[in-house]
Amino acid sequence: GENVEQHPSTLSVQEGDSAVIKCTYSDSASNYFPWYKQELGKRPQLIIDIRSNVGEKKDQRIAVTLNKTAKHFSLHITETQPEDSAVYFCAAGGSYIPTFGRGTSLIVHP
Amino acid sequence: NAGVTQTPKFQVLKTGQSMTLQCAQDMNHEYMSWYRQDPGMGLRLIHYSVGAGITDQGEVPNGYNVSRSTTEDFPLRLLSAAPSQTSVYFCASSYSGTSNEQFFGPGTRLTVL
Repeated sequence: GENVEQHPSTLSVQEGDSAVIKCTYSDSASNYFPWYKQELGKRPQLIIDIRSNVGEKKDQRIAVTLNKTAKHFSLHITETQPEDSAVYFCAAGGSYIPTFGRGTSLIVHP
Repeated sequence: NAGVTQTPKFQVLKTGQSMTLQCAQDMNHEYMSWYRQDPGMGLRLIHYSVGAGITDQGEVPNGYNVSRSTTEDFPLRLLSAAPSQTSVYFCASSYSGTSNEQFFGPGTRLTVL
């Protein structure tokens, strides 16, 4: 089955800095790579996703890049704000249920 | 639409007790799944279903049973609760079409004493 590794487990940045979270996956058949944000006490919610036929996708301050050859993908958040503080999960999969990474706790200091 | 709903929100059990966590969705999604979330362990898949009458095991299925008699409902049964099952449980559903977005329920926080 699919195995997803996510790093770092904790990331602390100053407001306005950029944050990068990296994930690797093992199954070359995976073609869908979503990112979820989970605020404290809340449910995970999709913030951005990318498919294997695309190398990069942007949505305002967030972007995701995918390197299929190396089997890794990354989440980039620019101009971080305190409300970006949350746990972020990457996932990888095909047409069924994706496999999640262990999560990154992002702390943005004002 | 209510989306994905879960009951109860909180539950305390004694070791050996059984209970059912309820999950329902009103989006006509084919896929439904149960995850448990423990600190530092991410979201681990317990069981999933790709349609009514079809279920399969995920990464951590031991101690849990599921059934899917309707498209809308996907209950998770704990047969004999153990302290190791103390966790936050999330139900999720997704469509089988071009979007694989998982829609999560609000979660159930379970404590087993």
